[in-house]
Amino acid sequence: GAGVSQSPSNKVTEKGKDVELRCDPISGHTALYWYRQRLGQGLEFLIYFQGNSAPDKSGLPSDRFSAERTGESVSTLTIQRTQQEDSAVYLCASSPRGQQFFGPGTRLTVL
Amino acid sequence: DAKTTQPNSMESNEEEPVHLPCNHSTISGTDYIHWYRQLPSQGPEYVIHGLTSNVNNRMASLAIAEDRKSSTLILHRATLRDAAVYYCILRDRQGGKLIFGQGTELSVKP
Repeated sequence: GAGVSQSPSNKVTEKGKDVELRCDPISGHTALYWYRQRLGQGLEFLIYFQGNSAPDKSGLPSDRFSAERTGESVSTLTIQRTQQEDSAVYLCASSPRGQQFFGPGTRLTVL
Repeated sequence: DAKTTQPNSMESNEEEPVHLPCNHSTISGTDYIHWYRQLPSQGPEYVIHGLTSNVNNRMASLAIAEDRKSSTLILHRATLRDAAVYYCILRDRQGGKLIFGQGTELSVKP
């Protein structure tokens, strides 16, 4: 079956611009996660959605970062006024419960 | 969140077993031990997880120390496709986010 998909696969933007990254989870998965991976580093947790519960936003690095999820479907991660330190691969994962299934990521480059 | 400690890198020869260690001395009673791996230019993929007993699946085996303060991921016959960064992660049984460390970069020589 279809896995987690993310779009775009690559995004190049200029410093100060806003970007939106999309995640389409596996159908039926109630949990959705966003992580960030800087070059040569491990993954950093950003935000977690579980059903109708309030999202866990404890990993968002600043108020320039926000995310929404429509029901148990698609999620969008928005970064406002991008900075060069936001350059990273942004990974989305979904989970029915237990193991997480990761998408291929969006590589964001801020010039 | 409890912390794990892994070697930065390991090397293996193709078709030989690989034992990847992980220390987690501050593990709590409700923490599961999860292993994920990340192949180059891909998102992480689940490998295996366990609580107290040793576990086997088609990808690997997980050996958990009796005191649960350490565990070992065992790849029985390494292949070139097993070259990846392997992450050992503690996760509460209620689920939620994964806290990734630096992992162990495994290289496999033909």
